[in-house]
Amino acid sequence: GNSVTQMEGPVTLSEEAFLTINCTYTATGYPSLFWYVQYPGEGLQLLLKATKADDKGSNKGFEATYRKETTSFHLEKGSVQVSDSAVYFCALSRHNFNKFYFGSGTKLNVKP
Amino acid sequence: DVKVTQSSRYLVKRTGEKVFLECVQDMDHENMFWYRQDPGLGLRLIYFSYDVKMKEKGDIPEGYSVSREKKERFSLILESASTNQTSMYLCASTRTDEAFFGQGTRLTVV
Repeated sequence: GNSVTQMEGPVTLSEEAFLTINCTYTATGYPSLFWYVQYPGEGLQLLLKATKADDKGSNKGFEATYRKETTSFHLEKGSVQVSDSAVYFCALSRHNFNKFYFGSGTKLNVKP
Repeated sequence: DVKVTQSSRYLVKRTGEKVFLECVQDMDHENMFWYRQDPGLGLRLIYFSYDVKMKEKGDIPEGYSVSREKKERFSLILESASTNQTSMYLCASTRTDEAFFGQGTRLTVV
């Protein structure tokens, strides 16, 4: 089946620290991979995506590389800001009805 | 600017009431989804629809039904609300390379 596993939170960092949030997936075939972010009181919004192996998605200083050999899509940022505090969801999509499968979410708290 | 709009941000309903959550998208997407979000459990799929009048059960359909009479509108129905349905409900419509979410409806059943 299809599933996504991501590291449990919360993750608490000081401003300007390096961020890694781990994500691994199980899927048949070749899924597309995504990171979504949810700010307090809001819905989810797309942060970045990668559609094939070795692709790197990037946005707002965040990066993730699609690693087929390790079935992973870890999120990284070199220097986090207080405004990055949010919940981050890793997800994959398959072409059957464009269905998305989400991880459980990782809450990030960044302290000044 | 593409949009998925949920009719309410906050709702408070009584146990046993029939509750309707409405979702509208303006992107002409065929696929629409309803999730509920609970702490520690992430997003769980309730129902989805791949065309007008077509629906499929997700992972947790019990106690819910849906309606898709028009392509742009997907409604979630709680037939008889219970306290364990207190949650954040998220609607999404998708294309192959992206899912678009509404702002969420926080439902409290008392």
